[in-house]
Amino acid sequence: QTVVTQEPSLTVSPGGTVTLTCASSTGAVTSGYYANWFQQKPGQAPRALIYSTSNKHSWTPARFSGSLLGGKAALTLSGVQPEDEAEYYCLLYSGGAQVFGGGTRLTVL
Amino acid sequence: EVQLVESGGGLVQPGRSLRLSCTASGFTFGDYAMTWVRQAPGKGLEWVGFIRSKTYGGTTEYAASVKGRFTTSRDDSKSIAYLQMNSLKTEDTAVYYCTRGYYYGNTPFDYWGQGTLVTVSS
Repeated sequence: QTVVTQEPSLTVSPGGTVTLTCASSTGAVTSGYYANWFQQKPGQAPRALIYSTSNKHSWTPARFSGSLLGGKAALTLSGVQPEDEAEYYCLLYSGGAQVFGGGTRLTVL
Repeated sequence: EVQLVESGGGLVQPGRSLRLSCTASGFTFGDYAMTWVRQAPGKGLEWVGFIRSKTYGGTTEYAASVKGRFTTSRDDSKSIAYLQMNSLKTEDTAVYYCTRGYYYGNTPFDYWGQGTLVTVSS
């Protein structure tokens, strides 16, 4: 079964830039993995941010962007705001199933 | 306004069954796949499975951890998706969410329910 790996935690200063990554145990992540990214704050349902690697939902702030980077899916936040402090999850499609990464806890400090 | 409301959660003994419902409103339910995601207390998200729309055959896919025990179905006339959970284990304890769409198509996972808690314990 595919294992999807994310950084457990990252810290960024307000106004800074941070990149979260999402790796697959099956090899390089490509567009065929249809990477999705979600943000979740305590006590809330997840909120979708990015789909199919780099497409934004209508509510996704412009400072969020998705890409492929070094064989991984990546979520970059540019000009981080205090409200971006949250857990971030990627979701990859792999062989009919989908698998979430373990999540990255982003601290804005 | 699009809404998804899960129901049917509760306390159940190991080995027993439970059926969750996801009642949708505000959109043409039959046009969309529906996905189930769960989250154990204090843990990360886990993809459970999805059901495609009838246009794409209404076929299903499941995570290995629930395959053979869980089944998702849909009643497009009632705008409800179901998750039938059999042979429940303590490790199935989680908040269960339904969400619209799946990996393929426009704006997947754009709407989520509030979740329903399933506790498997003796």
